Amino acid sequence: ETGVTQTPRHLVMGMTNKKSLKCEQHLGHNAMYWYKQSAKKPLELMFVYSLEERVENNSVPSRFSPECPNSSHLFLHLHTLQPEDSALYLCASSQDPGVNQPQHFGDGTRLSIL
Amino acid sequence: AQKITQTQPGMFVQEKEAVTLDCTYDTSDQSYGLFWYKQPSSGEMIFLIYQGSYDEQNATEGRYSLNFQKARKSANLVISASQLGDSAMYFCAMRAYQTGANNLFFGTGTRLTVIP
Repeated sequence: ETGVTQTPRHLVMGMTNKKSLKCEQHLGHNAMYWYKQSAKKPLELMFVYSLEERVENNSVPSRFSPECPNSSHLFLHLHTLQPEDSALYLCASSQDPGVNQPQHFGDGTRLSIL
Repeated sequence: AQKITQTQPGMFVQEKEAVTLDCTYDTSDQSYGLFWYKQPSSGEMIFLIYQGSYDEQNATEGRYSLNFQKARKSANLVISASQLGDSAMYFCAMRAYQTGANNLFFGTGTRLTVIP
């Protein structure tokens, strides 16, 4: 069983819909991350939370809105997405955002925008 | 700026043989960490091995070892005794202290196929 759980595994939505991706980590970590993985491109870091405070926002469009209610849960709220937003969205956690801390990833949510 | 380069889009290896996956990196930081991840077709990114920039010994984890050549800025992953379950995408990644350890920079990956 993975220490980082993401739901749903697959999501198909229209451009006008509003949906949320959920991530939960059972590892007692203090930092959580959202990544976007598009075909043939490196993983792109979207957001970083450390102790429930957002510490990184890598120029992500406002149609993506993260929420971290506590150190175990992370959400990504989606609204009015574009077709180019179709991708695999990966959540990760680490003990803290340190140089030597490996990040542990969930299985991802595969998002398709119609 | 940080950059990770993986020049091998795809690699094939015979079962039970060893294989080396290449990774070079670029950073002006003195303090950084290098990571390798495996991504099976299911999508999950699995952490394999870590090497710190100040570590003098090459990291090893079971059948995985990291051939760290600091002067050449390379951090190649060596998988010994390949198994069919090793078929997956492999990503090299780096975090650097000065540019913000929050950022984990990934390469484009190498798809490894193990042949029976």
